[in-house]
Amino acid sequence: EVQLVESGGGLVQPGGSLRISCEASGFPFSNYDMSWVRQAPGKGLEWVSGISGSGGSTYHADSVKGRFTISRDNSRNTLYLQMNSLRAEDTAIYYCAKHLFLEWLTTFDYWGQGTLVTVSS
Amino acid sequence: DIVMTQSPDSLAVSLGERATINCKSSQSVLYRSNNKNYLAWYQQKPGQPPKLLIYWASTRESGVPDRFSGSGSGTDFTLTISSLQAEDVAVYYCQQYYNTPCTFGQGTKLEIK
Repeated sequence: EVQLVESGGGLVQPGGSLRISCEASGFPFSNYDMSWVRQAPGKGLEWVSGISGSGGSTYHADSVKGRFTISRDNSRNTLYLQMNSLRAEDTAIYYCAKHLFLEWLTTFDYWGQGTLVTVSS
Repeated sequence: DIVMTQSPDSLAVSLGERATINCKSSQSVLYRSNNKNYLAWYQQKPGQPPKLLIYWASTRESGVPDRFSGSGSGTDFTLTISSLQAEDVAVYYCQQYYNTPCTFGQGTKLEIK
């Protein structure tokens, strides 16, 4: 059974940093591209960052480029998102999501339950 | 970025009746090389992550009831629930994965009339 379990969310001050994690199980983690998608309270879905199975290619939305870094440790079946220079508008539930097929341009078939990041003073 | 626009924003349908949600993309999401539309539909219930219903515009994900169907091509797409059940109350999102960044519609809230 595929499982994605996020952790590391919490309250952080504007300008601060946070690293969130997603531990994966139930599928060959290193074979699949992975992404982070966020949802601000009461709002819609926004793709944030993505990474290839090997970790050699990464992609970021313009809204987080230069501030967020996605990475993965395939030996630990874990996906990370390092978030720096956090702003109030980064407040959201952050979901990790598994890509459906073994290619980048695909949708997401499994999502974690999410971890809440709140940026506030 | 490709802009996805859903209509309506909210919808109230009687149990057992048909529900139809529309999604329009600002540019075509049809890849001519493989004749596939890079369009997915999701269902999200309160307090839960999104659940994949449909991909390639019309392919139902495993385990999704056959009352859910997707149609359309190019820039105009539709999600149809043929006979609404109480458990279908949710927000529905369309998503294009034709290019990066993938983008989502604003969501359509489906309620029981």
